[in-house]
Amino acid sequence: SQTIHQWPATLVQPVGSPLSLECTVEGTSNPNLYWYRQAAGRGLQLLFYSVGIGQISSEVPQNLSASRPQDRQFILSSKKLLLSDSGFYLCAWSVRDTGELFFGEGSRLTVL
Amino acid sequence: GQNIDQPTEMTATEGAIVQINCTYQTSGFNGLFWYQQHAGEAPTFLSYNVLDGLEEKGRFSSFLSRSKGYSYLLLKELQMKDSASYLCAVMDSNYQLIWGAGTKLIIKP
Repeated sequence: SQTIHQWPATLVQPVGSPLSLECTVEGTSNPNLYWYRQAAGRGLQLLFYSVGIGQISSEVPQNLSASRPQDRQFILSSKKLLLSDSGFYLCAWSVRDTGELFFGEGSRLTVL
Repeated sequence: GQNIDQPTEMTATEGAIVQINCTYQTSGFNGLFWYQQHAGEAPTFLSYNVLDGLEEKGRFSSFLSRSKGYSYLLLKELQMKDSASYLCAVMDSNYQLIWGAGTKLIIKP
């Protein structure tokens, strides 16, 4: 069966510090991978998606970046966090061109 | 622009029925999804509609009218564990999901 894990689950970071969130998928090959952010009381905002190794599409220009060094690994990074980066970050995968997403556990980021 | 509208919050009584509406305006349509999200957790898939009509799955049903840009999620025999946010999402012509802000459902005893 397929599983998805992301970590860390919770982190508190000072403004200006770097960020790295990691997500891995098991039990499937060549998935579409996504990073979403959910601010309190808001809908899911798509940040990045990837259809293959090294292929990243950015939906929202900002100080975040994503990388896919391996087929089932997706990393969200920032060199310098802003207060507005606080939120609940969700990694997800899907089979190509289907809308059913399978989400990781989520990572709650608080920037102080 | 693309837009998904759903009520912000609803309250219902345990054992009752509740209907959560979703209206959408998107660039193309390749299906509508409903997800459930408990507080502090990730969303989980509930239903998928691509053709008009009602899809039933246990206590949950989802309806779609493409001509009206409208869907609803119907929850029957409400249980306390149904307290959660319910997210409506539409897949557009580029196979990207457009998300609503979610409806927080509060179940009272």
